[in-house]
Amino acid sequence: AQSVTQLGSHVSVSEGALVLLRCNYSSSVPPYLFWYVQYPNQGLQLLLKYTSAATLVKGINGFEAEFKKSETSFHLTKPSAHMSDAAEYFCAVSETPGNTGKLIFGQGTTLQVKP
Amino acid sequence: DTAVSQTPKYLVTQMGNDKSIKCEQNLGHDTMYWYKQDSKKFLKIMFSYNNKELIINETVPNRFSPKSPDKAHLNLHINSLELGDSAVYFCASGLTSGANVLTFGAGSRLTVL
Repeated sequence: AQSVTQLGSHVSVSEGALVLLRCNYSSSVPPYLFWYVQYPNQGLQLLLKYTSAATLVKGINGFEAEFKKSETSFHLTKPSAHMSDAAEYFCAVSETPGNTGKLIFGQGTTLQVKP
Repeated sequence: DTAVSQTPKYLVTQMGNDKSIKCEQNLGHDTMYWYKQDSKKFLKIMFSYNNKELIINETVPNRFSPKSPDKAHLNLHINSLELGDSAVYFCASGLTSGANVLTFGAGSRLTVL
């Protein structure tokens, strides 16, 4: 069975500092991996996705993530945090296409950005 | 135009009541989902419909009954509401032929008193 683990339920950084949100996955087949962001009282918005092409994936708002098969990781980074980045971030895994399209989510990481 | 819209956004009701949440998508997607987000913000899939056919039912109590009148709509009816049903329910849609990217609605916050 597939699963996702996000290390750190709460991450706090200063404005302008590096953002690093950790995600490790478990999958018996080549996975598709996603990061979603949830702003307060809103739905989830796709930040970026990995679908077996380039291992370094660039997303919206300056975020990027690197797929490392040997470490079963898909960590999310941003060089310089902005106050508007404060939100809940979810890593998710899906089986490759041809099936249900179901996403399995990690438990989420709350990103706090201090001025 | 909202891509995935859910109504109502907030729902407060008493235990034992029956309530429905509606969802519509205008993206032309062939698959729709209901996810439940609990108080700890954990997201778990409940149901999925592909072209009006139920394809995922994740051991959800049978008090929950999804209905898909067409591939653009997926409604969720909940009977005999319990305190533990309080959560945010998210509707989502996607293309199974695509890269499994889901588009989510804004959520419906259900509070059972």
